[in-house]
Amino acid sequence: QKEVEQDPGPLSVPEGAIVSLNCTYSNSAFQYFMWYRQYSRKGPELLMYTYSSGNKEDGRFTAQVDKSSKYISLFIRDSQPSDSATYLCAMSLYGAGNMLTFGGGTRLMVKP
Amino acid sequence: ETGVTQSPTHLIKTRGQQVTLRCSSQSGHNTVSWYQQALGQGPQFIFQYYREEENGRGNFPPRFSGLQFPNYSSELNVNALELDDSALYLCASSKGGQGGTEAFFGQGTRLTVV
Repeated sequence: QKEVEQDPGPLSVPEGAIVSLNCTYSNSAFQYFMWYRQYSRKGPELLMYTYSSGNKEDGRFTAQVDKSSKYISLFIRDSQPSDSATYLCAMSLYGAGNMLTFGGGTRLMVKP
Repeated sequence: ETGVTQSPTHLIKTRGQQVTLRCSSQSGHNTVSWYQQALGQGPQFIFQYYREEENGRGNFPPRFSGLQFPNYSSELNVNALELDDSALYLCASSKGGQGGTEAFFGQGTRLTVV
C-alpha cells in the first residue's frame, strides 16, 4: 500500500463545475500538505500549502486537511479549460519544501 | 528573481552509461531536492541537499549520488544506468532546510535509457 493514495482519474467535468480532488494517507506524522498542478511535460507548480489541519482559500481554490481522517481535499470553483492538468498532492513531516511524499496524481479535464 | 532551471531538457543514454543532470536553484534558496517521476506516476524523492550537505535520502540505491555547490546549484549523478531509470528528473529548491519554505520545481530533465 502506498503512503499517499490518489485516484488517478481521469476526471472529466464541464466548464464552470466545482471540482473536488482528494488524497488519503497512512502516516499520521505528516504535518505539511501541498497541492501541485502539473501540465504535460512540465514541472509541478505549487498551488496551495497548508500546515496541520484546517482550511485555506486562494481565489478559486480551497484546500482542506482533516488529520483525524488522514484525508485532504482541493476544491476548484468555476473550473476553466485552462485548469486541465494533473493535480498532485504532496506531504511532509519536516517542512513545506522538504522530502515530499507525493500521491500518484489525478488527471483533470475541463471541457468547454 | 530567477526560477529553478535544469539542464539538459532531454537526453538519451545507453544502459550501463553514467549521466549528470544539473540544476540552478531559485535566487535566495539554499536547499535543493531531486525527484524521479516515472510516466503516469507522482514524483519520488531521491535526496536533498542543504548548505552543500546531503540531509535526507529516499529509497534509491547508491548509484544515485549528488552534489551541491557553494552557489547552491546542484548535480544529480546516476551510474550504471538501467532501463527503469528512464523518467523525468525534477529539481526543486526551497529556503531554510527542515521546516523551511515551500519547494518550487524546475521544468525537469527527461532521461531515456535505451
